[in-house]
Amino acid sequence: GENVEQHPSTLSVQEGDSAVIKCTYSDSASNYFPWYKQELGKRPQLIIDIRSNVGEKKDQRIAVTLNKTAKHFSLHITETQPEDSAVYFCAARGDEKLTFGTGTRLTIIP
Amino acid sequence: EAGVAQSPRYKIIEKRQSVAFWCNPISGHATLYWYQQILGQGPKLLIQFQNNGVVDDSQLPKDRFSAERLKGVDSTLKIQPAKLEDSAVYLCASSPSSYYGYTFGSGTRLTVV
Repeated sequence: GENVEQHPSTLSVQEGDSAVIKCTYSDSASNYFPWYKQELGKRPQLIIDIRSNVGEKKDQRIAVTLNKTAKHFSLHITETQPEDSAVYFCAARGDEKLTFGTGTRLTIIP
Repeated sequence: EAGVAQSPRYKIIEKRQSVAFWCNPISGHATLYWYQQILGQGPKLLIQFQNNGVVDDSQLPKDRFSAERLKGVDSTLKIQPAKLEDSAVYLCASSPSSYYGYTFGSGTRLTVV
């Protein structure tokens, strides 16, 4: 089955700086890669996703890049704000189901 | 549109007791998932339904967990008997099909004491 690794597990950045979270996946047939944001005690919410036929996707301050050859994808958050503080999960879809990474706790330092 | 509804929000039970969780997906979503999220970890798939049929239950501990989705809409997840290690948040998610991303419910936080 699919295996997704996520790094780092924790990340602290100064407000206004950029944050990057990286994930690798094992199943070369995986074709869909969403990112979820989970605030404390709340449900995971989809913030951006990318399909395997695209190398990069951007939505305002967040962007995702995908390298199919290397089987890794990354989340980039620019101009970070305090409300970006949360746990972020990457996921990869193989066999019609999502496998999640272990999460990155992002803390924005004012 | 209404989101994925789950109940109860919280449940505390003693080990060896039974418990059931309920999920009502977004209207029209054919695919429904139950995930287990242990504190500090990513969600782990327990079972996936397509309409009222099971697509994947390979990670469901079938000696104690069971799930059903009658009529292809609501779903229930049951644990009997519960163990301490079952303490987790149980998340239900739905999507129009496996091609799309999921919408998660608020989850049920289970504490087994």
